[in-house]
Amino acid sequence: EVQLLESGGGLVQPGGSLRLSCAASGFTFSSYAMSWVRQAPGKGLEWVSAISGSGGSTYYADSVKGRFTISRDNSKNTLYLQMNSLRAEDTAVYYCAKDKGYIWGSYVRALDYWGQGTLVTVSS
Amino acid sequence: DIQMTQSPSSLSASVGDRVTITCQASQDISNYLNWYQQKPGKAPKLLIYDASNLETGVPSRFSGSGSGTDFTFTISSLQPEDIATYYCQQYDNLLLFTFGPGTKVDIK
Repeated sequence: EVQLLESGGGLVQPGGSLRLSCAASGFTFSSYAMSWVRQAPGKGLEWVSAISGSGGSTYYADSVKGRFTISRDNSKNTLYLQMNSLRAEDTAVYYCAKDKGYIWGSYVRALDYWGQGTLVTVSS
Repeated sequence: DIQMTQSPSSLSASVGDRVTITCQASQDISNYLNWYQQKPGKAPKLLIYDASNLETGVPSRFSGSGSGTDFTFTISSLQPEDIATYYCQQYDNLLLFTFGPGTKVDIK
């Protein structure tokens, strides 16, 4: 059974830093790209960042580029999101999610498994 | 950047009604369009991938169609458990995603 378990959320002051983790199990972690998606209170979904299965390629939304860093440790089946220079508008539930992967020889970039989310609150 | 719009932003329908949500991309995205359901306090759930493919285990009353810039998501017979917000999401040939703003579905 695929499981994704986020941790590391909490209250942080503006300008501060936080590192989120996502522990994965139930699938071959290194074979799948992973993403972070966030949802501000009462708002819609916002894709934040993605990383390839090997970790060699990373991508960011413009809203977090230069402040957030996505990484992964395939030996520990864990995804990370280092968040620096945090702002009030970064307050959100942060979800990690797994790519669906190859279906009939084509790579499908849909997020088929999600964690339960971890809340990050940026406030003084 | 590719922008996604959804309409309507919310709707109310009766149990058994056919419900249709549209999603439009700002440029041609082929069939790189997915649909998710999110219930309050829960993580999103993948329903449809690549515009028209039903995710395993998802009831057949859910369907999707379209290509290029215009896409449609349909619930053929609305059930009480379908009360949720529905999001479209596009992806490109890099690892970049964009979600639509969502459509909230209620029971009338």
